[in-house]
Amino acid sequence: DTAVSQTPKYLVTQMGNDKSIKCEQNLGHDTMYWYKQDSKKFLKIMFSYNNKELIINETVPNRFSPKSPDKAHLNLHINSLELGDSAVYFCASSPQIPGWQDQYYEQYFGPGTRLTVT
Amino acid sequence: AQSVAQPEDQVNVAEGNPLTVKCTYSVSGNPYLFWYVQYPNRGLQFLLKYITGDNLVKGSYGFEAEFNKSQTSFHLKKPSALVSDSALYFCAVRDPPQNNDMRFGAGTRLTVKP
Repeated sequence: DTAVSQTPKYLVTQMGNDKSIKCEQNLGHDTMYWYKQDSKKFLKIMFSYNNKELIINETVPNRFSPKSPDKAHLNLHINSLELGDSAVYFCASSPQIPGWQDQYYEQYFGPGTRLTVT
Repeated sequence: AQSVAQPEDQVNVAEGNPLTVKCTYSVSGNPYLFWYVQYPNRGLQFLLKYITGDNLVKGSYGFEAEFNKSQTSFHLKKPSALVSDSALYFCAVRDPPQNNDMRFGAGTRLTVKP
């Protein structure tokens, strides 16, 4: 069974379009994340959600909007796509014990979505 | 803010030889340290972590890492490398309770040659 899944795996689109990437985890985790990995393999956190609430919002253009309909899903919507948005986007999740921060838990990553903007 | 550095972009070793992938960190408190591996066209997989306790931690696939507070390092090691260990390795750090996010290093590409 896939723990963290993302769709689509590949996404090729033109500048100016709007697109979404979906993420689902079946691990029962409370916290989910979006990361961007650029062409040099540098991994940078974009957003973190805990129980459908935004926890971390790094310096990301407001063209990027995460949406969490429930704690098992965290989707990423991107408006007005630009060439620089081309990257691999990873979703991840981690558990949290109520009343504790989840810092000491590892994250479980999805397979990634390779976005190419032409 | 916490940060992590992987000083080597590339590490090459021969199969059967020991390998070391270096990681140093900077935090304001006591760090939580992690190692992940990324195989081609795959997501990151957790290898091991240091939270507290014994400085030598053992993880998946025969990997281990040693936490050295005085040198602020958390180097990944394996006594005998396999060709299948060839991948991209990421060190990551958290700095609780000040910061809830995980910061990743730039990654080190390990190539094990037969």
